[in-house]
Amino acid sequence: KQEVTQIPAALSVPEGENLVLNCSFTDSAIYNLQWFRQDPGKGLTSLLLIQSSQREQTSGRLNASLDKSSGRSTLYIAASQPGDSATYLCAVCYGNNRLAFGKGNQVVVIP
Amino acid sequence: DTEVTQTPKHLVMGMTNKKSLKCEQHMGHRAMYWYKQKAKKPPELMFVYSYEKLSINESVPSRFSPECPNSSLLNLHLHALQPEDSALYLCASSQQDYNEQFFGPGTRLTVL
Repeated sequence: KQEVTQIPAALSVPEGENLVLNCSFTDSAIYNLQWFRQDPGKGLTSLLLIQSSQREQTSGRLNASLDKSSGRSTLYIAASQPGDSATYLCAVCYGNNRLAFGKGNQVVVIP
Repeated sequence: DTEVTQTPKHLVMGMTNKKSLKCEQHMGHRAMYWYKQKAKKPPELMFVYSYEKLSINESVPSRFSPECPNSSLLNLHLHALQPEDSALYLCASSQQDYNEQFFGPGTRLTVL
């Protein structure tokens, strides 16, 4: 069974600092990996999708890398802003069209 | 149109009620999903429809009954729920299997 880990569960950073969020997974046989953002009580917003054949994806201030062989992905958010405060979820797509989610990183950006 | 819509936003129901949740997308996606999310937990997959056919049922109790009337619409029929079924119910869609999933805003369900 695919297991996804995100550590730490919560972190706070001062505004302007770069955010680095880590995700690890146990089985390298994945189709893709997706990073989501979730605000309290809201749905998930897709941030980036990395296919298993890709090493990284970029969108604006966001950059996500994937090292399938070591079972790791990292989400970088440059020059963090208070509006980046949210929970960030990593999800791995594996067999039978299932997503295995990590428990998330709860991020607070301090003005 | 690049969004998944869900109605209602909030629902309160008694254990003997019958209600339905609705999900709609107009992106031409052929896979649609229902997830359940409890507070401070990640979403848990309930059902997957692929090309309007049920492809995955994650051993969900029969008091939850999914329906996919057409490629744009997904319903979740609720009957005789328990208080522990109170949660945020999320719908998602993807172009096909194994593609990027797009989520709706969710329905906050409270069972009294």
